[in-house]
Amino acid sequence: DGGITQSPKYLFRKEGQNVTLSCEQNLNHDAMYWYRQDPGQGLRLIYYSQIVNDFQKGDIAEGYSVSREKKESFPLTVTSAQKNPTAFYLCASSGVGGGTPQETQYFGPGTRLLVL
Amino acid sequence: GEDVEQSLFLSVREGDSSVINCTYTDSSSTYLYWYKQEPGAGLQLLTYIFSNMDMKQDQRLTVLLNKKDKHLSLRIADTQTGDSAIYFCAESQFSGGYNKLIFGAGTRLAVHP
Repeated sequence: DGGITQSPKYLFRKEGQNVTLSCEQNLNHDAMYWYRQDPGQGLRLIYYSQIVNDFQKGDIAEGYSVSREKKESFPLTVTSAQKNPTAFYLCASSGVGGGTPQETQYFGPGTRLLVL
Repeated sequence: GEDVEQSLFLSVREGDSSVINCTYTDSSSTYLYWYKQEPGAGLQLLTYIFSNMDMKQDQRLTVLLNKKDKHLSLRIADTQTGDSAIYFCAESQFSGGYNKLIFGAGTRLAVHP
């Protein structure tokens, strides 16, 4: 089954702690994305990556970091610098094709991060 | 600026049609998307429409695009309780070398008997 997996489903963070959210895809997509969703709001882009070993900041990158060492994996670290981390985090992936249906983004099931 | 707007809530009776509306700002958007989100879940792609089309039909779903008014709508025929979810409209904008998605805040659809 092709798809995107995120783990864990729920994650608890203590103050001052860094936590890492996992995202894996087996769709052979070049591009991967991390979004944050807050209640009653649309999705906001944190980071994206179009190719291995390269990634770019999105609209709300402060307090987050990512890596892209493998095509299939794009982990997100929520650092202690992120003062309001409680949210639902969604990972997505797509092909890269210059404005074609290849670039349609497909989403994982999400990770809910809560602060203790 | 970037802004996609949707009404926040829609309530319909089971079996009726639902129409969810969206307005967007970038006339150069190539694709417009509709995603569905059930409680506690990720976003599921429902359909998309290319900006040079004005209508697309897929089973119970009909998408209408009025490019002049930058207005997009999603009609769900014969709405069922399983259609209860949040529906997100998104426009694509080519920015920074990739196709960025701009999302609306979502419309919560409630289906009642």
